[in-house]
Amino acid sequence: TQLLEQSPQFLSIQEGENLTVYCNSSSVFSSLQWYRQEPGEGPVLLVTVVTGGEVKKLKRLTFQFGDARKDSSLHITAAQPGDTGLYLCAGVQAGSYQLTFGKGTKLSVIP
Amino acid sequence: EAGVVQSPRYKIIEKKQPVAFWCNPISGHNTLYWYLQNLGQGPELLIRYENEEAVDDSQLPKDRFSAERLKGVDSTLKIQPAELGDSAVYLCASSLGQGNEAFFGQGTRLTVV
Repeated sequence: TQLLEQSPQFLSIQEGENLTVYCNSSSVFSSLQWYRQEPGEGPVLLVTVVTGGEVKKLKRLTFQFGDARKDSSLHITAAQPGDTGLYLCAGVQAGSYQLTFGKGTKLSVIP
Repeated sequence: EAGVVQSPRYKIIEKKQPVAFWCNPISGHNTLYWYLQNLGQGPELLIRYENEEAVDDSQLPKDRFSAERLKGVDSTLKIQPAELGDSAVYLCASSLGQGNEAFFGQGTRLTVV
């Protein structure tokens, strides 16, 4: 059983469209991180959320942490080809220090 | 500030041969992780170090994998002997402390033939 479930697994959209990807779990996390990974590179940290209900914005990306700290979402407005990549969520469970990753959402933005 | 440095970037070996990967974490980062990533999948933790101590190695296949972090800085991950199924990207990451944000190296892509 995967601790963090990401959906959708694959997403292909046209440039300019909006999208949301999800990261869900039945466990509570003390913090949750979102990464973007391009082919041949390591994951690059985008944001960390730590407070239930927290919303963070990074240009056209909006990240939300669920009130119960069990889930998170990433919304991209007006997607661009440069947003293409593998989006990974990773969480540190409450009471633990282990950083566990979901399987990722592979996003393709078509010009 | 230099990021996490891994070497080599690519390695091709024959099965049953040994292989080693090296990682230099960000200066001052006490926590070091080794992850394995298969194509199109998320990273899976192999081992986590706090300084020189391995505090979580439950996912490390100890019959063939070993790791060390002498002096609590650089780390090496070794596979001996390698199997075809070990082909993957091996990622190293570091963070200031337990539970903090992790920063990744570019990874070592291993191909076992």
